[in-house]
Amino acid sequence: AQSVSQHNHHVILSEAASLELGCNYSYGGTVNLFWYVQYPGQHLQLLLKYFSGDPLVKGIKGFEAEFIKSKFSFNLRKPSVQWSDTAEYFCAGHTGRRALTFGSGTRLQVQP
Amino acid sequence: EAGVAQSPRYKIIEKRQSVAFWCNPISGHATLYWYQQILGQGPKLLIQFQNNGVVDDSQLPKDRFSAERLKGVDSTLKIQPAKLEDSAVYLCASSWGTSGLPEQFFGPGTRLTVL
Repeated sequence: AQSVSQHNHHVILSEAASLELGCNYSYGGTVNLFWYVQYPGQHLQLLLKYFSGDPLVKGIKGFEAEFIKSKFSFNLRKPSVQWSDTAEYFCAGHTGRRALTFGSGTRLQVQP
Repeated sequence: EAGVAQSPRYKIIEKRQSVAFWCNPISGHATLYWYQQILGQGPKLLIQFQNNGVVDDSQLPKDRFSAERLKGVDSTLKIQPAKLEDSAVYLCASSWGTSGLPEQFFGPGTRLTVL
């Protein structure tokens, strides 16, 4: 069965610290992977997506993610977080025409 | 560009009552999704429409949940009768299609509390 797992449920960082949020997927065949962010009181919005090609994907607001097929991982990174990055982050994936399968989310709290 | 609209934003009902949610997708988007997000979990797909046809409703509890998209534009999701475990945020999303890798745009959600 298709699944996406996020092991960090709550992360607390100080401003300027580096961020890495884990995401692992379980899919057969070609997989498309996404990171979404939900800022407090706002809609889910897309940070970045991976289709194929270069495994290092760059998204908005300085975020990037690396697709490592051998590890079934698609971790999200940012070299230096800001207070405004406080939000909930969701990893998601799908194959073909199916809708997204989401992980359980990671709540990031950045302390000034 | 107008985003995905949903109403109401909040709803409180008692168990065994019925409730309906409405979604208006982004203009021109053929695909519409309803997701259920229970507190502490990621969104879970309930139903996916392509125009006015159902693509996937395998996770929709059909004994109590129903959804329609009669004219291939806006959509309603109904719960009848509601149970306590239906308390969640109901998210609507839309995309221009399903071929390739179209981005899904999400609405603000409807937060349902069942007492």
